[in-house]
Amino acid sequence: AQSVAQPEDQVNVAEGNPLTVKCTYSVSGNPYLFWYVQYPNRGLQFLLKYITGDNLVKGSYGFEAEFNKSQTSFHLKKPSALVSDSALYFCAVRDMIRAGANNLFFGTGTRLTVIP
Amino acid sequence: DAGVIQSPRHEVTEMGQEVTLRCKPISGHDYLFWYRQTMMRGLELLIYFNNNVPIDDSGMPEDRFSAKMPNASFSTLKIQPSEPRDSAVYFCASSLTQSSTDTQYFGPGTRLTVL
Repeated sequence: AQSVAQPEDQVNVAEGNPLTVKCTYSVSGNPYLFWYVQYPNRGLQFLLKYITGDNLVKGSYGFEAEFNKSQTSFHLKKPSALVSDSALYFCAVRDMIRAGANNLFFGTGTRLTVIP
Repeated sequence: DAGVIQSPRHEVTEMGQEVTLRCKPISGHDYLFWYRQTMMRGLELLIYFNNNVPIDDSGMPEDRFSAKMPNASFSTLKIQPSEPRDSAVYFCASSLTQSSTDTQYFGPGTRLTVL
């Protein structure tokens, strides 16, 4: 069975401080991991993904994520938070159960609030 | 590219009415997905198509829901009859290939309210 957990429903951080949004996963086989962001009244926007290679993945808007196989984690990070980063963040893993598919299994989301 | 296009953006209807949601995937993408987002259940995959053919509809909640893809550039999700518990945001997404590494691109969603 596979799953994605985002242990924090809400993360608050001061503008200019580093931010971390946590994600842990459980999959059979190689994990294919994704981060999406959802701004108010908007669809999900792709931020970055890990497939293979370097454990530190760089994505859009200055975000990066670190794949840690031993801890089965894929935390999203940014060195300096902006107020405009305030949004809902989703971690996702490819659904390995349905062979041949490209389905994504999403976490429950973490609401990030950057305080001016 | 305009991205994935969905219409309408907002829909308010009364219980028992038919609702049709529309989606235009990114040109050239072979896969199309319909998701539903609610506070209680988060994001759920309802159905997906490959080259206009429905591949897996196991996520469709019940027979009141149906989806079609008559051509590569258009898909509909229909609810008939609608019920208040169908109120949610419905997202359409598309991806280029069936590669497991491929990225899904989402539309802006349709916020459905059933009174």
